[in-house]
Amino acid sequence: SQQGEEDPQALSIQEGENATMNCSYKTSINNLQWYRQNSGRGLVHLILIRSNEREKHSGRLRVTLDTSKKSSSLLITASRAADTASYFCATDAAAGNTPLVFGKGTRLSVIA
Amino acid sequence: GAGVSQSPSNKVTEKGKDVELRCDPISGHTALYWYRQSLGQGLEFLIYFQGNSAPDKSGLPSDRFSAERTGGSVSTLTIQRTQQEDSAVYLCASSLGGPTIYEQYFGPGTRLTVT
Repeated sequence: SQQGEEDPQALSIQEGENATMNCSYKTSINNLQWYRQNSGRGLVHLILIRSNEREKHSGRLRVTLDTSKKSSSLLITASRAADTASYFCATDAAAGNTPLVFGKGTRLSVIA
Repeated sequence: GAGVSQSPSNKVTEKGKDVELRCDPISGHTALYWYRQSLGQGLEFLIYFQGNSAPDKSGLPSDRFSAERTGGSVSTLTIQRTQQEDSAVYLCASSLGGPTIYEQYFGPGTRLTVT
């Protein structure tokens, strides 16, 4: 089945550094979304990028999408301790109104 | 405005008992989703309601799991004859419309522990 797979599984960086997380998926999509989760509870939507878009920015977040490689990356610039969380990509299927499929996430630790 | 709420926040039950988990979506959101997340894992899709359409139950792991959405608003996820492997955080989300276009707003989850 289609699934977003994040890479790396865990990432530890110093405050102020940039963090890059990657997501790969298997089949054609309409959109790809990134979510953040703190403390294993509810997720918060970060950004949605459509299949005809290549790059999108939101504050310190930059998302790229390469549909030829079926991959996306999330870049967090000038990271802060408060960015410590798990980050998930979620993909849909190009055909039909199907539920999103979430990957297992990247656990980011930003050390002050 | 009010976000998605879930109750209870924590539930401990004995193996074999039935449990009901409740989700109150954001008012006006036509789509409602249930997910399950085991410790350190990603989200596992369970069921999806969209307006008055028949729900997408393709993610329910067994016939012990069922869900209802009354009046297009509140939803209840029921797990019958709970097993230890049912222990997880159950997350509910809602969105304005279908999942391919609209972002999902998540509740804080219900942590279920089956002893």
